[in-house]
Amino acid sequence: GQNIDQPTEMTATEGAIVQINCTYQTSGFNGLFWYQQHAGEAPTFLSYNVLDGLEEKGRFSSFLSRSKGYSYLLLKELQMKDSASYLCAALDSNYQLIWGAGTKLIIKP
Amino acid sequence: ETGVTQTPRHLVMGMTNKKSLKCEQHLGHNAMYWYKQSAKKPLELMFVYSLEERVENNSVPSRFSPECPNSSHLFLHLHTLQPEDSALYLCASSQDPGTGNVDTQYFGPGTRLTVL
Repeated sequence: GQNIDQPTEMTATEGAIVQINCTYQTSGFNGLFWYQQHAGEAPTFLSYNVLDGLEEKGRFSSFLSRSKGYSYLLLKELQMKDSASYLCAALDSNYQLIWGAGTKLIIKP
Repeated sequence: ETGVTQTPRHLVMGMTNKKSLKCEQHLGHNAMYWYKQSAKKPLELMFVYSLEERVENNSVPSRFSPECPNSSHLFLHLHTLQPEDSALYLCASSQDPGTGNVDTQYFGPGTRLTVL
């Protein structure tokens, strides 16, 4: 079956760096998405990776290793507003999104 | 603001009620989606519409009935729901889902549904 694994919850300190991991097992692979979802709000698109390597967008970076079925989202210089859930989703061979359950990130002062 | 709006934001209904959820997208997209989001579970895709035609129904119970009158509007009609249907219902839209293209989905804020 198809599956996405990511930690349920993580805690980090304001100003620090945190890495949220995601492993995927899908029938075929056409890329991986990261979304951010604040409580009570819409999931918002953060990144899409289809090639191996690291892509940086300001304080957020996303990494992909296709051979390992692994991705991570790296958040630097954490701010209180980064407290949210982070959703990982892989695109399978039929271009269907397979979603993880999300990682709730708690930022402490 | 993602360009996708949903109303109402909160809904409480009894098991015998009939209600509808509304979604509107202002992005000029061709596809719209309904998802169910339950606590600590992955998003569950319920329905997909492309150019107002339903292209996918992931074995959703008939007490959920979608309607897509045009490419900008999507409804989810609810009747005789069960308490386990309580969840956040998210609407999303994308440019073009069906031709093997990578297609980013943009979400609305959801309707928090409670079934008593």
